[in-house]
Amino acid sequence: DQQVKQNSPSLSVQEGRISILNCDYTNSMFDYFLWYKKYPAEGPTFLISISSIKDKNEDGRFTVFLNKSAKHLSLHIVPSQPGDSAVYFCAAAGGTSYGKLTFGQGTILTVHP
Amino acid sequence: EAEVAQSPRYKITEKSQAVAFWCDPISGHATLYWYRQILGQGPELLVQFQDESVVDDSQLPKDRFSAERLKGVDSTLKIQPAELGDSAMYLCASSLYAGAYNEQFFGPGTRLTVL
Repeated sequence: DQQVKQNSPSLSVQEGRISILNCDYTNSMFDYFLWYKKYPAEGPTFLISISSIKDKNEDGRFTVFLNKSAKHLSLHIVPSQPGDSAVYFCAAAGGTSYGKLTFGQGTILTVHP
Repeated sequence: EAEVAQSPRYKITEKSQAVAFWCDPISGHATLYWYRQILGQGPELLVQFQDESVVDDSQLPKDRFSAERLKGVDSTLKIQPAELGDSAMYLCASSLYAGAYNEQFFGPGTRLTVL
């Protein structure tokens, strides 16, 4: 069963516009959520996270929103830049003491100049 | 800047052969993770070490996969025998301590192709 889902395999936006990447989860035990970015031939790198006690976390151009009742989170990138073109993974953790991350399938973001 | 090292970067093997992957985590990181990423999917945790001890191997196919971290530093993941369905990217990550609040740093991965 896919506990973390990213239903959009790809997203294309124009430079300077907003990119919105979405993620849904089903496990109510998840209480910490993360976004990772992955460039080709590199491992994923941590981007931003949010705890379930918050509904928003901001870091520069990146903002993550969490809607616990809908079991939905989103990553907003404003303004989008061509260097943001990468695969973005949503991940969730909770319910265990060891911090196991459960990842979504990823969304390929392409930002056009 | 400290990085997680993995080798080899690419491995092509025939089914029924044995393969091994190596990972050197960031110095001082007590927790080490092996993930498998199948094309089009997100990484899936195979095994997690705290120092030299396995704390989670629930998704590791133990009939053919084995992992060790003998001195609590570097680690080896082995597949014997390899099957066609094992073709994937194998990612190693490390963090200072266990727990989701501790950032996991990923290596570049080993791309395995089983023919």
